[in-house]
Amino acid sequence: DGGITQSPKYLFRKEGQNVTLSCEQNLNHDAMYWYRQDPGQGLRLIYYSQIVNDFQKGDIAEGYSVSREKKESFPLTVTSAQKNPTAFYLCASKNGAGGYEQYFGPGTRLTVT
Amino acid sequence: EDQVTQSPEALRLQEGESSSLNCSYTVSGLRGLFWYRQDPGKGPEFLFTLYSAGEEKEKERLKATLTKKESFLHITAPKPEDSATYLCAVQAGSGNTPLVFGKGTRLSVIA
Repeated sequence: DGGITQSPKYLFRKEGQNVTLSCEQNLNHDAMYWYRQDPGQGLRLIYYSQIVNDFQKGDIAEGYSVSREKKESFPLTVTSAQKNPTAFYLCASKNGAGGYEQYFGPGTRLTVT
Repeated sequence: EDQVTQSPEALRLQEGESSSLNCSYTVSGLRGLFWYRQDPGKGPEFLFTLYSAGEEKEKERLKATLTKKESFLHITAPKPEDSATYLCAVQAGSGNTPLVFGKGTRLSVIA
């Protein structure tokens, strides 16, 4: 079954701790994306990667970091520098350049207290 | 700056009461317009891609249309299971330029 997996579904952390969210896809897609979703707001782009070993900052990259060492994997680290890390995080992937749709994973809800 | 505005923010319908959701956009060089459905606590599910004005796509009770300035998602005779948030997004420019999303329309269909 092809798709995008995100783990874990729920994640709880104490303030001041870094946390890494997993995103894996077996769709052989080149591009991968991380979004943050807060109540009443649209999806906001954190980082994206078009190819392995390359990534670009999105609109709200401060306090986050990523890596893209393998085509299938695009982990997101939420650092202690992120002021309001509690949110729903969504990973997506896309095949090829141009106007092709993105496919989303099930999301990870992160709660930091 | 590319912008996407969805209206209304929320819509409550009786079962069987047809209606339309609006997505207006301002982009330079539209590559594609996308509709997604999102259930609470889940990732968005892809519905349609529209590429050029005049194009229409249909799936069950949903039909998406596109003009040069906006897109409509028409819902015919909705059922309670159509209740969800519907997201619109556009891609402009070239390559893998990220999508720009609207804030969504939260649809509730009451039996």
